[in-house]
Amino acid sequence: LAKTTQPISMDSYEGQEVNITCSHNNIATNDYITWYQQFPSQGPRFIIQGYKTKVTNEVASLFIPADRKSSTLSLPRVSLSDTAVYYCLVGVWNQGGKLIFGQGTELSVKP
Amino acid sequence: DAGVIQSPRHEVTEMGQEVTLRCKPISGHNSLFWYRQTMMRGLELLIYFNNNVPIDDSGMPEDRFSAKMPNASFSTLKIQPSEPRDSAVYFCASSLGLGLMNTEAFFGQGTRLTVV
Repeated sequence: LAKTTQPISMDSYEGQEVNITCSHNNIATNDYITWYQQFPSQGPRFIIQGYKTKVTNEVASLFIPADRKSSTLSLPRVSLSDTAVYYCLVGVWNQGGKLIFGQGTELSVKP
Repeated sequence: DAGVIQSPRHEVTEMGQEVTLRCKPISGHNSLFWYRQTMMRGLELLIYFNNNVPIDDSGMPEDRFSAKMPNASFSTLKIQPSEPRDSAVYFCASSLGLGLMNTEAFFGQGTRLTVV
């Protein structure tokens, strides 16, 4: 499994765009990049997943450069309710493989 | 679907007692994961099943921990005997786990275990 590295914490203010970058230098050809969000006292929740280039959904965008050795989760115009821990995962799970979480990035959004 | 259902939501037990945590995965999902979360160690994968078969239990801390999945709609995580260091939030998750597309995992609300 590819090791991921992301900042331990980030601070932001309401209305700002937040970009969280994850490094995964040992990503394999078949690996997908997936981000999860966890609020206090809740289980993690899937946000977005991508393989290459850019993916966008109603919650976030995921930017993946051509070499795929890093990825950036972009949250547009954050609000207080976006305060959570964000996890970057790299791997293949379509055959029920391991889903390993790293330390995550604790995002704090201030008014 | 009601999502992944875990019970109980909270459990307080005395050291040495047996504890059983329960999980009902989303219908149709064939992969099931048990995690433990603490402040010190983060979110740790304990064991995962595919089609009711344990695939990897290398994350189970020791023999006091055991997990079963007797059928596709039910799994248990048992700790016997329990110790104070087992205090944590235990999450169960399930995913579709098949096909060419990578799949997402859906987590339950967790069971907060306190061993005194």
